[in-house]
Amino acid sequence: GQQLNQSPQSMFIQEGEDVSMNCTSSSIFNTWLWYKQEPGEGPVLLIALYKAGELTSNGRLTAQFGITRKDSFLNISASIPSDVGIYFCAVDNYGQNFVFGPGTRLSVLP
Amino acid sequence: EPEVTQTPSHQVTQMGQEVILRCVPISNHLYFYWYRQILGQKVEFLVSFYNNEISEKSEIFDDQFSVERPDGSNFTLKIRSTKLEDSAMYFCASRGLSNQPQHFGDGTRLSIL
Repeated sequence: GQQLNQSPQSMFIQEGEDVSMNCTSSSIFNTWLWYKQEPGEGPVLLIALYKAGELTSNGRLTAQFGITRKDSFLNISASIPSDVGIYFCAVDNYGQNFVFGPGTRLSVLP
Repeated sequence: EPEVTQTPSHQVTQMGQEVILRCVPISNHLYFYWYRQILGQKVEFLVSFYNNEISEKSEIFDDQFSVERPDGSNFTLKIRSTKLEDSAMYFCASRGLSNQPQHFGDGTRLSIL
């Protein structure tokens, strides 16, 4: 089946630092999404990307849909403690379902 | 903001018993989904439902699983004879149009003893 790769798997950063994570696929997808999951909760949509090359921001978060349509990155600027969680990329599998990546676990140290 | 709600938040069941997980999708949404997340792993697709029928299912969604939309608001996942490996978080999701993102509920934690 379809598979996404995310890197890094986990990261520890100091509060105030910027964060960058990415997601890649061997296949082309036309919709890329970034979700955040906190313990005991469901994934919450952060950013949806619909057009190759598109750069979209949501507060301190910025995500880009790669021009090849095989990758995306998510940046978080000036991290704060509440940014802690697992960040999943997902792709819309041509309207059938969503395929999720394995996630990047973010820890923010005060 | 409208949200997907799931009940119960935690279900503990003996192996071999049937369990029904319930979801109330966002009211004007047309597409409904169930996903599973085993502890520490990624979210995995189980099944999608549109126009009162299953539109897609994964290899995880075997004969033990079924879904139903018994009325205009609920969407349920039934596991007929639970196994230990069914222990996981189960997430319901819905979306309005096929090109819109899915919105997830907070999940039901299913523990099989």
